[in-house]
Amino acid sequence: SQQGEEDPQALSIQEGENATMNCSYKTSINNLQWYRQNSGRGLVHLILIRSNEREKHSGRLRVTLDTSKKSSSLLITASRAADTASYFCATGASDMRFGAGTRLTVKP
Amino acid sequence: EAQVTQNPRYLITVTGKKLTVTCSQNMNHEYMSWYRQDPGLGLRQIYYSMNVEVTDKGDVPEGYKVSRKEKRNFPLILESPSPNQTSLYFCASSLSASGTGELFFGEGSRLTVL
Repeated sequence: SQQGEEDPQALSIQEGENATMNCSYKTSINNLQWYRQNSGRGLVHLILIRSNEREKHSGRLRVTLDTSKKSSSLLITASRAADTASYFCATGASDMRFGAGTRLTVKP
Repeated sequence: EAQVTQNPRYLITVTGKKLTVTCSQNMNHEYMSWYRQDPGLGLRQIYYSMNVEVTDKGDVPEGYKVSRKEKRNFPLILESPSPNQTSLYFCASSLSASGTGELFFGEGSRLTVL
């Protein structure tokens, strides 16, 4: 069963705009990770946030975590056409589980 | 170059014909895992391995077998493939299974069972 659920399922924006994707999960976690997948390719790790962290930045990425609401968000600022991809949140350890993903389209 | 290599990348086969999808990593990772990805369902874990000779079932193990005889290799075996196993398969590895490290994914193996 999926642990994370991303919202929205699909998002279309113009280049230069910000993109926000949300993830909700069901059980307590030690950390939460975000991954990116270009069409049909392998997933690539973006960022990991630990349960005792509330916010983390990496370049144009900003991730927040609210353990009381069991939710996380991924913000991509100043989006580019090359950011077009699917984004997944993942929780767990040996049993790491992924949501169904948010498909982001950035129009040039 | 650090990588996870899967083969074959594409395969069309027929129901009942045994096949093996190989996975190899060159990062000396302890943990390896197989996922399948289907439209609208995200990635679902099939099997994982925390070390040599240690394997465990994921969420959708039915119809699959795995083995971990060497640290670098984690083949996925479909003894008698059926059309519902048509999917995109990913192998992934991680330095440890504690969940504190990132997963490195292969490029995927697209399997069609007729």
